[in-house]
Amino acid sequence: GEDVEQSLFLSVREGDSSVINCTYTDSSSTYLYWYKQEPGAGLQLLTYIFSNMDMKQDQRLTVLLNKKDKHLSLRIADTQTGDSAIYFCAERASGGYNKLIFGAGTRLAVHP
Amino acid sequence: GAVVSQHPSWVICKSGTSVKIECRSLDFQATTMFWYRQFPKQSLMLMATSNEGSKATYEQGVEKDKFLINHASLTLSTLTVTSAHPEDSSFYICSRGSPSNEQFFGPGTRLTVL
Repeated sequence: GEDVEQSLFLSVREGDSSVINCTYTDSSSTYLYWYKQEPGAGLQLLTYIFSNMDMKQDQRLTVLLNKKDKHLSLRIADTQTGDSAIYFCAERASGGYNKLIFGAGTRLAVHP
Repeated sequence: GAVVSQHPSWVICKSGTSVKIECRSLDFQATTMFWYRQFPKQSLMLMATSNEGSKATYEQGVEKDKFLINHASLTLSTLTVTSAHPEDSSFYICSRGSPSNEQFFGPGTRLTVL
């Protein structure tokens, strides 16, 4: 079956880099996503990567994909207090138009 | 700006009443929209896929008679929680896909059933 796992909590100092990790099980996933959720709000798409890519960079965000190990990571450079939120990894389920399977979310806490 | 809106953003109701939540695609005619449910400090769980002009497709374990979905137009899908009970209290989020394979989410509706 389809399953996505993430570590639940990460604490970093302001200015440091944050790395949030995710593993998934569906090897036929075509797209993998990172979403950000602030308290009481909906989900904001941060970035996504197609399965034939190894890396994608977008300003402070770097996504690494190891398809062999089914491992996805999100690196946030120069982490700021405004980056404090919950980050969800999601895979696009095979066979379903845009149906996403989410991980449990990683709560990122940024401290001075 | 927002591409998916939801209304209301929060609602409190008495046990046994029904609540309707609207999800609108603001910039795109969406034949398919999705309804998710999120419990506090938990992930999003897909409840159903809303299909314009036809019946919704429900995920395993989701009661279709309790969570009525109507997708009467290409820009509007509604979720009605019938005979709501306290255990239905949750954060309900809708989304739509796009040709670019991104999925855009609404801001969510927080339902509290007393």
